[in-house]
Amino acid sequence: GENVEQHPSTLSVQEGDSAVIKCTYSDSASNYFPWYKQELGKRPQLIIDIRSNVGEKKDQRIAVTLNKTAKHFSLHITETQPEDSAVYFCAATYSGGYQKVTFGTGTKLQVIP
Amino acid sequence: DTGVSQDPRHKITKRGQNVTFRCDPISEHNRLYWYRQTLGQGPEFLTYFQNEAQLEKSRLLSDRFSAERPKGSFSTLEIQRTEQGDSAMYLCASSLEGDTIYFGEGSWLTVV
Repeated sequence: GENVEQHPSTLSVQEGDSAVIKCTYSDSASNYFPWYKQELGKRPQLIIDIRSNVGEKKDQRIAVTLNKTAKHFSLHITETQPEDSAVYFCAATYSGGYQKVTFGTGTKLQVIP
Repeated sequence: DTGVSQDPRHKITKRGQNVTFRCDPISEHNRLYWYRQTLGQGPEFLTYFQNEAQLEKSRLLSDRFSAERPKGSFSTLEIQRTEQGDSAMYLCASSLEGDTIYFGEGSWLTVV
């Protein structure tokens, strides 16, 4: 089955700096890679996703890149703000098949004002 | 609200008791997932359904756990003879086929 590794487990940045979170996956058949943000005591919420037919996707201050050959994908947050502080999870799956969604172990991001 | 809903949101139970959680997915979603999450960890897969068929069940799941989705709509997750190690948040999620999954607010279980 799929295995997703995520690094770092914790990340502290100054407000306004950029943050990068990296994930690797094991199953070359995976073709859909969502990212979730989870605030304390709340549900994980989708913030951005990428499919294997593109290498990069942006949404305002958030971007995700995908390297299919190396089987890794990354989340980039620019101009970080205190409200970006949360736990971020990457995930991987094969969309269109019967593969379940497998999550990484999470990165706790702290943005210091 | 047409999101994923879970009930109850919080449950405190004594060790050895049975508990049942209910999940109502987004109406047009045919796939339903159950995950478990403990503090500081990512969602851990338990089981999932496509319509009423249970497609996979985690090997980590003991036989005290059972899930059903009898009519392909709502689902229940039952934990029998609860243990303190079962204390966690139980997350339900739904999707259309294998696409984006949307989570419910979760059901917090505390076993005392």
